[in-house]
Amino acid sequence: GIQVEQSPPDLILQEGANSTLRCNFSDSVNNLQWFHQNPWGQLINLFYIPSGTKQNGRLSATTVATERYSLLYISSSQTTDSGVYFCAVDILTGGGNKLTFGTGTQLKVEL
Amino acid sequence: NAGVTQTPKFQVLKTGQSMTLQCAQDMNHNSMYWYRQDPGMGLRLIYYSASEGTTDKGEVPNGYNVSRLNKREFSLRLESAAPSQTSVYFCASSLGGYTEAFFGQGTRLTVV
Repeated sequence: GIQVEQSPPDLILQEGANSTLRCNFSDSVNNLQWFHQNPWGQLINLFYIPSGTKQNGRLSATTVATERYSLLYISSSQTTDSGVYFCAVDILTGGGNKLTFGTGTQLKVEL
Repeated sequence: NAGVTQTPKFQVLKTGQSMTLQCAQDMNHNSMYWYRQDPGMGLRLIYYSASEGTTDKGEVPNGYNVSRLNKREFSLRLESAAPSQTSVYFCASSLGGYTEAFFGQGTRLTVV
């Protein structure tokens, strides 16, 4: 099956710092999503981005489908950004409906 | 809109007991899914329903059964719970195909 690798696995930032999270995948995809799992366990949709670039406030994401990676940028980080960030993909030939998740990046933002 | 609602939020079972996790969505989505999340890992697909009346196995279906009761509801049943099924279970829904999925708040299940 498709492999989804996220890096770094852990990240500690001072409030106000910027960061880049990376998601590499081993096959062509037709769906890629970024999620934030907050400390209470809720999965929050950040971006649906199978290709191209999107921005939402301090967050932006870029997927380069031909090179099989996606990047999530967090600028001016805040303590509320803490949690685990997951990317999830659905392969082009899979018929849909089968998101495969990476193991996540654990982010802690400190004052 | 409530989105995707799961019940219960927490449950403790004894080994061998059975239970059903309920999931309902109010977004008129066609597809629904059940995932499990184990410590330090991403989510893994247990079963999914591409549309009302159909269900298919995902990556880790053993020990589970599902029912797509109608377009809104998709339940997950553990017939004889085992400690290995201790996990957090998430239900999700989407329009179908390669579209954005939305998740419920999760059910934390402990089997002792």
